[in-house]
Amino acid sequence: DGGITQSPKYLFRKEGQNVTLSCEQNLNHDAMYWYRQDPGQGLRLIYYSQIVNDFQKGDIAEGYSVSREKKESFPLTVTSAQKNPTAFYLCASTDSRQPQHFGDGTRLSIL
Amino acid sequence: KQEVTQIPAALSVPEGENLVLNCSFTDSAIYNLQWFRQDPGKGLTSLLLIQSSQREQTSGRLNASLDKSSGRSTLYIAASQPGDSATYLCAGATSGTYKYIFGTGTRLKVLA
Repeated sequence: DGGITQSPKYLFRKEGQNVTLSCEQNLNHDAMYWYRQDPGQGLRLIYYSQIVNDFQKGDIAEGYSVSREKKESFPLTVTSAQKNPTAFYLCASTDSRQPQHFGDGTRLSIL
Repeated sequence: KQEVTQIPAALSVPEGENLVLNCSFTDSAIYNLQWFRQDPGKGLTSLLLIQSSQREQTSGRLNASLDKSSGRSTLYIAASQPGDSATYLCAGATSGTYKYIFGTGTRLKVLA
């Protein structure tokens, strides 16, 4: 079955630590996205990529970094510069005429 | 900057009622519009996609429409059921981009 796999499901970060969230898709979609969701809030766009080796900042990119070396993969690194990283992180993918498909999310907390 | 408002923020109804959820955009140049469902602690499930050449889409008891002139979309749920209880989010992409902007959602509770 085609879909998006996010791992891990739960992640804990220590002070000063960088952590990387994985997102893999087998839908052959060109575009991939990372969103952040805080309790009771909608989704805010962190980064998105429309094609391999290219990505753009979303509305809240500070303290985050991404790479897109393969079409299937779009990992997100939460750096120590992100002072309030506790949130639910969602990865999505699409093509221009397809609905956005979402993974099951990664919940990041501070130790 | 595109902003998306969803009204109401929360809704509680008895089973069997027909519902209308609303979504409005500050920039009416919407290219694609999607409605999603989110269950607690889960990712988003796509319900309906209205593409640039379309005005509405239907799937089962759900119907979504888009009025581009006003930048408004509605999601109609017929004969609501307790299993429809979830948060419903709309998201729009403006012309020429893949960048979707999300509303804050409507939290729906259908009482048995």
